[in-house]
Amino acid sequence: NAGVTQTPKFQVLKTGQSMTLQCAQDMNHNSMYWYRQDPGMGLRLIYYSASEGTTDKGEVPNGYNVSRLNKREFSLRLESAAPSQTSVYFCASRGDAGRGGNKQYFGPGTRLTVT
Amino acid sequence: GENVEQHPSTLSVQEGDSAVIKCTYSDSASNYFPWYKQELGKRPQLIIDIRSNVGEKKDQRIAVTLNKTAKHFSLHITETQPEDSAVYFCAASRGGTSYGKLTFGQGTILTVHP
Repeated sequence: NAGVTQTPKFQVLKTGQSMTLQCAQDMNHNSMYWYRQDPGMGLRLIYYSASEGTTDKGEVPNGYNVSRLNKREFSLRLESAAPSQTSVYFCASRGDAGRGGNKQYFGPGTRLTVT
Repeated sequence: GENVEQHPSTLSVQEGDSAVIKCTYSDSASNYFPWYKQELGKRPQLIIDIRSNVGEKKDQRIAVTLNKTAKHFSLHITETQPEDSAVYFCAASRGGTSYGKLTFGQGTILTVHP
C-alpha cells in the first residue's frame, strides 16, 4: 500500500513554461486535494475533487488547472508558470467521512522552482 | 470563509517540559480539527484529531482540547523529547458540502533542547 504518491519530486521551470504535477492514491478514497506550502503561510488549498468527475476551486486557484482522471489520479497543471508559483505542492486524499472520519493523508510533495 | 490563527509561531522548550500550541477559528460551523506534524523536508503527518462533539482527546503524550464556545483548540505535548522537534500545524474543517476542505494555521516551529 503506497498511500499517496506524487511525481516529480523536484522541478525547475522557466517563466512561461508549462508542466503537470501528478498525484495518485491507492486507498480507494473519493476526495483528493492539491495544496501549496509557502514559508510562514501554512498550507493553502488550490483545488479539490470531492469525487471522480468533479473538481472545484479552493483558496488560491488562479494560474492552475486540475484533472480528476479517475478515482486514483488527480493532476495539477500550470499552463504558464510564474515565479510566484515557486512553492512546495502537496497532494492529499481523504476517505468517506463516515468511515474513519475526515483524515487526510498527504503525498511526499513536489518542490517547484520557477526562475 | 474559515480563518485559522495559530500561536506561537516558534516555541523552544527543554526536554521533559510540556509544550502548548493554540489555535482559534472563525467559522462556528467547523466541526473537525486535526493537528499535523511536519519534519524538515517531509510531508505533513496527522498526529491527532478531534471532532466538535468531544472536548478532549488524548493519545499517549499528546492531547488536544476544544472549546467550541470560544472557538479555540489547543495541542498539548507532555514530556517532550528531541524527536518532537518539528513544525506543527492546526487545521479546521466543516462537514457536509465542504467535502473535507481544510483551512490550516500558519504553523509553529517547536524546538526541544536536550
